[in-house]
Amino acid sequence: GENVEQHPSTLSVQEGDSAVIKCTYSDSASNYFPWYKQELGKRPQLIIDIRSNVGEKKDQRIAVTLNKTAKHFSLHITETQPEDSAVYFCAASPHYTSGTYKYIFGTGTRLKVLA
Amino acid sequence: DGGITQSPKYLFRKEGQNVTLSCEQNLNHDAMYWYRQDPGQGLRLIYYSQIVNDFQKGDIAEGYSVSREKKESFPLTVTSAQKNPTAFYLCASSRHNQGAYSTDTQYFGPGTRLTVL
Repeated sequence: GENVEQHPSTLSVQEGDSAVIKCTYSDSASNYFPWYKQELGKRPQLIIDIRSNVGEKKDQRIAVTLNKTAKHFSLHITETQPEDSAVYFCAASPHYTSGTYKYIFGTGTRLKVLA
Repeated sequence: DGGITQSPKYLFRKEGQNVTLSCEQNLNHDAMYWYRQDPGQGLRLIYYSQIVNDFQKGDIAEGYSVSREKKESFPLTVTSAQKNPTAFYLCASSRHNQGAYSTDTQYFGPGTRLTVL
């Protein structure tokens, strides 16, 4: 079945360094790729997303890149800060013509930013 | 995501009891979803509904039931058949877009933490 692999499962970086989280999806019909940040005990919050007709999107210190051919997409966080510490989830969503709006979530990456 | 509410925030269940978790949204979203999250784990889909009076099983539907009688409400019942229900339950909703590149961002509620006594 469809799945999304996410790596690494944990990531520790020094404050000010960059962090990169990578996801690979299997369903070629996927056309929407959101990233969520979840702090301990809280709800997942959307931080950035990308559609399949775009290769890269940036929002201040956060960027997402998409390689449709390789079925890879990545989250890049620059100049990391302690408040970036959280669990990050990627997801892939199929085109609506497949008849479903289900997300396939990655397993999450626990990011620790060390002060 | 401020338009999605879940109640209660904490819920305790005794063995053999059915309990119902509430999820309400005022975003006029068509689709609603229930996920289960275990400590240190990802999100697993329990049930989802793309339209009123219709819903589909997700990956871990056994021991759960839902209803979708109103667009804004999607309650989840955890039945006694669910043997290990202790978890964090998240409800989400999304709008249907039927353009060429449908943007169906899911927005999450604050969650309900269920504990079995």
